[in-house]
Amino acid sequence: EDKVVQSPLSLVVHEGDTVTLNCSYEVTNFRSLLWYKQEKKAPTFLFMLTSSGIEKKSGRLSSILDKKELFSILNITATQTGDSAIYLCAVVNAGNMLTFGGGTRLMVKP
Amino acid sequence: ETGVTQTPRHLVMGMTNKKSLKCEQHLGHNAMYWYKQSAKKPLELMFVYNFKEQTENNSVPSRFSPECPNSSHLFLHLHTLQPEDSALYLCASSLDRGGGTEAFFGQGTRLTVV
Repeated sequence: EDKVVQSPLSLVVHEGDTVTLNCSYEVTNFRSLLWYKQEKKAPTFLFMLTSSGIEKKSGRLSSILDKKELFSILNITATQTGDSAIYLCAVVNAGNMLTFGGGTRLMVKP
Repeated sequence: ETGVTQTPRHLVMGMTNKKSLKCEQHLGHNAMYWYKQSAKKPLELMFVYNFKEQTENNSVPSRFSPECPNSSHLFLHLHTLQPEDSALYLCASSLDRGGGTEAFFGQGTRLTVV
């Protein structure tokens, strides 16, 4: 059974801080890893990672995958209150099934 | 807006009621999904449809009945639910089930069973 574990479960920081969110996984026949941001309701897509060591970057957010050690990190620099959300990690296996982790709840205080 | 629309946004129903959740996308996607998100639990995949055919039923109780009349619409019919079925129900769609393409989510239906 595929498994995704995210850490920490929750995190409280102040504006301007840098945060690193972790996602480790066990999956049969890995295809890709996805990061989502969930505010209020619908998760919104952030990144899709398929290759090790290649950083994906979007503004203050970046993510990288390590397929040997089976983990990914999501970095957010110069955090803002609008970054407060639940960050979800999911892996896709060869059967194209998505398995989500439990999420990291990030709160950014002014 | 992600292009995936769910209605209603909120629903309160009694345990003897029958109701339906609706999901609609006009993104040209061929795969559609129902997820359940309960408090303190990861997103749980319920059903997957690919080109209108159900390809996954993740051991979901029969009181949840999906319907996919075409690639753009997905329904979740609910009957004789239990209070523990109260949750956020999310619909998603993706281009196809191959290649790990990202899924786009709707805003969800917040369901309360009383």
